[in-house]
Amino acid sequence: GQSLEQPSEVTAVEGAIVQINCTYQTSGFYGLSWYQQHDGGAPTFLSYNALDGLEETGRFSSFLSRSDSYGYLLLQELQMKDSASYFCAVRDRGGGFKTIFGAGTRLFVKA
Amino acid sequence: EAGVVQSPRYKIIEKKQPVAFWCNPISGHNTLYWYLQNLGQGPELLIRYENEEAVDDSQLPKDRFSAERLKGVDSTLKIQPAELGDSAVYLCASSLTGGNNEQFFGPGTRLTVL
Repeated sequence: GQSLEQPSEVTAVEGAIVQINCTYQTSGFYGLSWYQQHDGGAPTFLSYNALDGLEETGRFSSFLSRSDSYGYLLLQELQMKDSASYFCAVRDRGGGFKTIFGAGTRLFVKA
Repeated sequence: EAGVVQSPRYKIIEKKQPVAFWCNPISGHNTLYWYLQNLGQGPELLIRYENEEAVDDSQLPKDRFSAERLKGVDSTLKIQPAELGDSAVYLCASSLTGGNNEQFFGPGTRLTVL
């Protein structure tokens, strides 16, 4: 079967850097995505990694290590508006490229 | 460009009643997803369509849930009869085939079953 693990909560200070880790188990790994969701809002796409390495998009970066079945989302220069839930999602070849979401990490940014 | 549209935004029904949700994906997106999201959890896939074909409905409780995507555009998800445990947010998303599989989500329908 497939499973994803990410911390349930992370707290950080405004202006700091925070890393949200995601480990996964899947038989047909194809790619790892990250989504952000504010309370009461819809998930919004942040990044996608299919190959090992770091992808940078502004203040957000995402990293993947396929050999370690591990990825992380790095948020720099934290702002209060970054307080939200962050989901990693694995794209798996099984089921015709099914996407499986983790349970999410709730990020609290303090002043 | 208009995003994914869902209606209604909120629905309160009594158990054993039927309920239906509607989704209009982004124009040109041939892949449509219905997810269920419980509080504090990630979205869980119910069904995925490629055009009008349901290519993954393995997680859809078919005894009470049904879905259709006529003409490969908008879609309807139905529950009949609803149970207390069906209270959740029902999210619709759409994407283009291939690429990075970026999924665009609608605002969701918050269902409360009393």
